[in-house]
Amino acid sequence: SQTIHQWPATLVQPVGSPLSLECTVEGTSNPNLYWYRQAAGRGLQLLFYSVGIGQISSEVPQNLSASRPQDRQFILSSKKLLLSDSGFYLCAWSPGTGPQETQYFGPGTRLLVL
Amino acid sequence: AQSVTQLGSHVSVSEGALVLLRCNYSSSVPPYLFWYVQYPNQGLQLLLKYTSAATLVKGINGFEAEFKKSETSFHLTKPSAHMSDAAEYFCAVSDKAGGYNKLIFGAGTRLAVHP
Repeated sequence: SQTIHQWPATLVQPVGSPLSLECTVEGTSNPNLYWYRQAAGRGLQLLFYSVGIGQISSEVPQNLSASRPQDRQFILSSKKLLLSDSGFYLCAWSPGTGPQETQYFGPGTRLLVL
Repeated sequence: AQSVTQLGSHVSVSEGALVLLRCNYSSSVPPYLFWYVQYPNQGLQLLLKYTSAATLVKGINGFEAEFKKSETSFHLTKPSAHMSDAAEYFCAVSDKAGGYNKLIFGAGTRLAVHP
């Protein structure tokens, strides 16, 4: 069966520090991968989408970037964190590109920028 | 572009009472609709999805949702609430933009269940 991992689970970082969040998927190949951010009391905002190694699409301009160095690894990064980067970051995967495809979510990383 | 509106950011019910969480969508094409549940400090888990096979969709944990095209709605129901149903629920619609499919989520409804 497929599983999705995220780490770290919780992170407290000072403003201006770098960030690296990692997501890995097991039990499948060539998944579509997604990064979402969930701010307190709000819904989910899609940040990045990837259909393959090195192929990243950005949904909104921001302080963050994403990379996919391996088929089942998706990394969210920042060179300098802002206070507004605080939130709950969720990684998800789907098996295909059709509109009916279910997205499966990881456990999330809670980021607090101070 | 597709969009989703969830009426009521907070819903409170008694244990054993009917659960009704509302979702209305806007879509220019036949929609694919999803309900997800999120327990505190966890990721999202799929409850059910509508893919045009049947208008009444049954999901996990006793939840079901009915697709009503005339009302552009996909409300989530459960006949009898359990304490364990307390969580946040998100409705989502599939949207195609930039050559790929993505999910557009509503703002969520937090369900409280009291004894």
